[in-house]
Amino acid sequence: NAGVTQTPKFQVLKTGQSMTLQCAQDMNHEYMSWYRQDPGMGLRLIHYSVGAGITDQGEVPNGYNVSRSTTEDFPLRLLSAAPSQTSVYFCASQGPGLAGTSYEQYFGPGTRLTVT
Amino acid sequence: AQKITQTQPGMFVQEKEAVTLDCTYDTSDQSYGLFWYKQPSSGEMIFLIYQGSYDEQNATEGRYSLNFQKARKSANLVISASQLGDSAMYFCAMREPFSSGSARQLTFGSGTQLTVLP
Repeated sequence: NAGVTQTPKFQVLKTGQSMTLQCAQDMNHEYMSWYRQDPGMGLRLIHYSVGAGITDQGEVPNGYNVSRSTTEDFPLRLLSAAPSQTSVYFCASQGPGLAGTSYEQYFGPGTRLTVT
Repeated sequence: AQKITQTQPGMFVQEKEAVTLDCTYDTSDQSYGLFWYKQPSSGEMIFLIYQGSYDEQNATEGRYSLNFQKARKSANLVISASQLGDSAMYFCAMREPFSSGSARQLTFGSGTQLTVLP
């Protein structure tokens, strides 16, 4: 199992450009989510999905779109990049936990995005 | 609304000593889960330990234990016999109850940067 994979690892965008951050998981998890992490703060939820075809907004959804056409993939689209979107982005999926928890979040390695 | 508070932006501990990282939470729900994650300088999020709100015993995982005081709404992480490799950012997080429409989301605290001194 590769777990949760994210591409790219690093990206620099100019203000106004659009791009898609890719996320895939091979654990057959129904629940997937996107978080952003800014300096001095914990992770904040952007969007999440409880299954293919179902998505919903989290705490900070503005400026981002998501779709979930398959169980495996959950891409995050930046429509028109802004400097305020400079952050580290984590994708996560949730399923049975190794430590006996009912649901454990498995995180991808992150994408470091800079918008100039 | 839920809230997680980590009041220690930075902590130092001598190698081989124990250290406690504080976490308090605010929720009116009876059913919830508490997590601790480690984020080393390489950036990945590593799951450490989980405590369910109905668990009567404090969770333990190797050198990690969670000091769960439900009445005080605190879920402190205790690391015993600190190692140099424990130097990292540590995040406390809470999971919303399953009954809510947004079940399974995690709300994170702002983190504590732990430095282990040789």
